[in-house]
Amino acid sequence: QKEVEQNSGPLSVPEGAIASLNCTYSDRGSQSFFWYRQYSGKSPELIMSIYSNGDKEDGRFTAQLNKASQYVSLLIRDSQPSDSATYLCAVGSSGGSYIPTFGRGTSLIVHP
Amino acid sequence: DARVTQTPRHKVTEMGQEVTMRCQPILGHNTVFWYRQTMMQGLELLAYFRNRAPLDDSGMPKDRFSAEMPDATLATLKIQPSEPRDSAVYFCASGLVQKQETQYFGPGTRLLVL
Repeated sequence: QKEVEQNSGPLSVPEGAIASLNCTYSDRGSQSFFWYRQYSGKSPELIMSIYSNGDKEDGRFTAQLNKASQYVSLLIRDSQPSDSATYLCAVGSSGGSYIPTFGRGTSLIVHP
Repeated sequence: DARVTQTPRHKVTEMGQEVTMRCQPILGHNTVFWYRQTMMQGLELLAYFRNRAPLDDSGMPKDRFSAEMPDATLATLKIQPSEPRDSAVYFCASGLVQKQETQYFGPGTRLLVL
C-alpha cells in the first residue's frame, strides 16, 4: 500500500510570513512529486511539480525534494490571505505508468 | 478556454438508485482519471484510462461501480445500486500521456445518497 502522509493542520500563519508544508511518502521508487492547491468547494489545481532532489522555485512557491529521506515540502513566501486553501501532495507511482497517490492535504490559513 | 466538464454538478438520490456521472475531457487529451474525495479518505483514484482503454481500476468497488469511455469525448462513472457510503465528490481529470504530470480537474459532481 503506497502511502502519502501530510499533517492535516490547520496551519495558521500571519500575512507576509513563510508557510511550510510537508509531505512524506512510502514508495522509495517514486520519481515524480506534485503539489496541488484546492480552495474550499473547488477542484484541485496543480501548482508545482518536482522530479530531482533539491529546490525548485516558481514565484513565491518553492518545492523541496529529498528522496533519501522520502519527503517533499512546499514553501510559500510572503503568504497572502488568498493562499488560504488545502494543499495536496501527490506522488507518482514507480514502474513507468504515472498513477498518483494523493495525501489528504494540509489546510493553510493565512490571517491578515 | 479549454476545461474538463462534468455533469451533473450535484446529485441527490435514494439508496438503491442508479447514478451516472459524465465527464467530457479536454479535446485532444488522451488520459482520463476518476477520483472520489471524502473528508475521511481524501482523494482516491477510482479509474484510469489511457487512449480510452482502462489501465487501472483497482481502487473501484467492482460490485457496484463501473467506468467506461464510449468515445474520446465522453467518460462515464456509474454506481448501481448506490449506497449512503457513496456520498462524496467525484472528480474527473484529463491529461496527456506525453505530459503525465499535468492533470486538469473538472469541477466535480457532489453526490448525496440518502
